[in-house]
Amino acid sequence: GQNIDQPTEMTATEGAIVQINCTYQTSGFNGLFWYQQHAGEAPTFLSYNVLDGLEEKGRFSSFLSRSKGYSYLLLKELQMKDSASYLCAPAFTGGGNKLTFGTGTQLKVEL
Amino acid sequence: NAGVTQTPKFRILKIGQSMTLQCAQDMNHNYMYWYRQDPGMGLKLIYYSVGAGITDKGEVPNGYNVSRSTTEDFPLRLELAAPSQTSVYFCASSYSHVQGDYEQYFGPGTRLTVT
Repeated sequence: GQNIDQPTEMTATEGAIVQINCTYQTSGFNGLFWYQQHAGEAPTFLSYNVLDGLEEKGRFSSFLSRSKGYSYLLLKELQMKDSASYLCAPAFTGGGNKLTFGTGTQLKVEL
Repeated sequence: NAGVTQTPKFRILKIGQSMTLQCAQDMNHNYMYWYRQDPGMGLKLIYYSVGAGITDKGEVPNGYNVSRSTTEDFPLRLELAAPSQTSVYFCASSYSHVQGDYEQYFGPGTRLTVT
């Protein structure tokens, strides 16, 4: 499989900014998705990057560097409801648009 | 649109029993997927399908079977359930890459316990 590395846990304060990093093997890379998963629920789509650079979507932004095998998810103006697991999921060539999911970063937002 | 639906939501099986997890989508997606998620772990791909009549193995297919007779439905069959199959099972669907946005949409999951 493809090695995907992201921190296991992070803690941040309400109203702050947090950056969740993800690294992956670049061989066969075909784009990267970020998903949010609240405890006991299904993952929901947050962002998709296929070209280098920053994609901004409201309070959430995602960055990609294809040559470095690196992405990050930036969450601004943190809210308590942002407490969730954030899954980095690169897509690789090989048919079926298959994604390989990291183990996720558990973000805890505190007052 | 109901999106991706899964039944049942919860199930307890005895070792050696069989069952089928149902998955349906009403978004006319070509591609469908089955994942399992163990506690504290990422999602592992079990099987996927790129269209009716076409299925292929993912990362962890052993102990499972699938079929795709229609675009809408993608059932997952567990034969001879084992405790190692205790997990949360998610079904997902998406458009193909050439159709544009191809993010995967997930069903609510089936929580399966094998004892």
